[in-house]
Order: sequence, then structure tokens, then C-alpha cells
Amino acid sequence: SQQGEEDPQALSIQEGENATMNCSYKTSINNLQWYRQNSGRGLVHLILIRSNEREKHSGRLRVTLDTSKKSSSLLITASRAADTASYFCATVRISSGSARQLTFGSGTQLTVLP
Amino acid sequence: DTGVSQNPRHKITKRGQNVTFRCDPISEHNRLYWYRQTLGQGPEFLTYFQNEAQLEKSRLLSDRFSAERPKGSFSTLEIQRTEQGDSAMYLCASSFRNTQTETQYFGPGTRLLVL
Repeated sequence: SQQGEEDPQALSIQEGENATMNCSYKTSINNLQWYRQNSGRGLVHLILIRSNEREKHSGRLRVTLDTSKKSSSLLITASRAADTASYFCATVRISSGSARQLTFGSGTQLTVLP
Repeated sequence: DTGVSQNPRHKITKRGQNVTFRCDPISEHNRLYWYRQTLGQGPEFLTYFQNEAQLEKSRLLSDRFSAERPKGSFSTLEIQRTEQGDSAMYLCASSFRNTQTETQYFGPGTRLLVL
């Protein structure tokens, strides 16, 4: 089952604008990660935020985490056409078999118009 | 290229046929994961290996699915008697055992279409 749910499902913006995507989850987590997927390709890891962190930056990316609301947001500043992709949040649960199971949401499809 | 590789990239098969996919993880990574992704959805966990041991399987992995990782290197995922509902992207990811901040690196996926 999909635990993380992204909002909005689709987002279309002009190049140079900021894009904000939200993610909600249901159970306790060890950390939360954001991934990007270009059409028909594999996923690329963008950023990880631990459960005891509230905000993290990486280049043009800013991620926040609110464990009390079980939500996270991904902000992409000064967007570029090359940022067009699907963005997924994934919560991490350490299972009994020690697997770091990633549970993904259904993603936000971001389109950046030139 | 030292990333995760998957072969084939695309597979079209008829219902009832068997198919096998291969994943070559990053060489020093001891953990390997298989996920399945259907159109418009995020990936869903299928199974996990630590070295050659398959330690966890999702309920999504029916009896028709089998995965192996001989010698703890590459892995194969076989689907027997394929059904149209098996059509999906099959993604492999690998990681190196760490504490809480383990990052999984994904391959490009194998897209399966069952006719």
C-alpha cells in the first residue's frame, strides 16, 4: 500500500518560478527521502531528512519535515525546464528482516514550461 | 558506468510465458531490492537481499515470482506463467549497509508488457 501521498498530483509552472510539493504519511518513520524520476527511467535520490531534523537544504532543494503532522514538503527554487519529472517522497521503515523498506507515494508530476 | 544496471530494458511477452530479469548492483553494495511500479504510481517493494540471503518478501510477490542472488552479486527476478496484470516497470536498487541514512540507488528498470 502507498503510505506517502504527494500533493498536488500534477503541477505546471513557468521556468524561474518555485515549485512546492507536499507529502503526507501515516506511520512513524526513521527518515524520509525524496526521489525524482524522468519519464520511463529509474529513480534518482535527491535528499534525505532524518526524523529528528526539521529542514534540510541541497542546492536549489529545500525539504521540511513535520513529524507531528506527518508531512513533508519539497521546494525547488528557480525551476528549470530540466526539472520536469515526477517527484516521489518515500518513507523508510526498518523491517524485521533489516530491510530499509521504501514506501513511495504516487508522486507529483512537475512540468516546467520554458 | 558504475551504477545499477538492469537487463533487458524492455520485454514484451505473451500471457503464460516465463520471463527473467537481471540486475547488476553497484559492486560494493551488499543490499539489493526489487520494486514494481505500475503506471501513474510509485514503486512498491517486492523483495530484499542482504548478500545472497533473501530476507524479506512482500505479499505482492506471488508464488509465480522467484528471485535469487547467487554469490551475493547480481540478482534475477523470474515471473512464471505471466499474466496481463504483471505488466509494469520492475526496478532494482542497491545500497550499502549503514545506519539510518542508507541511500538506495536505482537502476533504469525493466519495462514488462504482457500481451
